[in-house]
Amino acid sequence: DAKTTQPPSMDCAEGRAANLPCNHSTISGNEYVYWYRQIHSQGPQYIIHGLKNNETNEMASLIITEDRKSSTLILPHATLRDTAVYYCIVRDANAGGTSYGKLTFGQGTILTVHP
Amino acid sequence: NAGVTQTPKFRILKIGQSMTLQCAQDMNHNYMYWYRQDPGMGLKLIYYSVGAGITDKGEVPNGYNVSRSTTEDFPLRLELAAPSQTSVYFCASSYAALVLSGRGRNEQFFGPGTRLTVL
Repeated sequence: DAKTTQPPSMDCAEGRAANLPCNHSTISGNEYVYWYRQIHSQGPQYIIHGLKNNETNEMASLIITEDRKSSTLILPHATLRDTAVYYCIVRDANAGGTSYGKLTFGQGTILTVHP
Repeated sequence: NAGVTQTPKFRILKIGQSMTLQCAQDMNHNYMYWYRQDPGMGLKLIYYSVGAGITDKGEVPNGYNVSRSTTEDFPLRLELAAPSQTSVYFCASSYAALVLSGRGRNEQFFGPGTRLTVL
C-alpha cells in the first residue's frame, strides 16, 4: 500500500472549515484513499473514502487531485467535538487474498478546534 | 446493535502473567482484526481473521495468539506478558462482502479499546 504524508498538527477555529491535507505521491491506480479519525482514547472512526472523484457525506468532503497524488479532507463547519487525530490511509481496492482489508495507520494529523 | 465490544477496559499485569482480551461483534462481520496502539503512534495490526476457524498474522504478532471459533468472537491471548506489551488494544471488524467487492468500501468498526499495563 502507498505511503501517506500528513502534517503532524493543525488548528482550526470553531465554525470554520478545517482542511486537512494528505500527500500520497506513490499511489497506484487500484488504490483508494480512506480517512479515519480517532477522538481521544476512543477507537478510530471511519469518515469517508474515494478513488478519483470528489466525495461528500454527512461528515465531510474529500477532494482528490486529478493526478491522485494528494487529497484534502474538509470538515465544513468544525466543532469542538471534531478535535481528534485524523488518519489518511491508502489501500488496494482488491481486498481479498493477502490484502485482507488491512488498514495501515501512520501517525496522522492532530486537529485542534478552538473556540 | 452493540457493535464491537471489548473487555476488560483496563488491566494491569505483572511480567510473566497471562490474560485474554475479549472481543465480540454482533454485526455478522466475517473479518475481524486486533490492533495495538502505543502512545503517540498509529495503530499496528497484530492478527486478523477472515472467518471462523481462519486466522493469520499481521505486522506485530510476536507474543500473542488468537482463535476464532465463532463469527462473533475473536479473543487475543497474551501468554507471558512483557513491559513491551503495554499498550492500548483495539479490536475491529468489517463486512467481507463489501471488502471483497472491489468497490473500495472497507469501513472497519472499532471497539472502545483495552488499556493494558505490564509492570
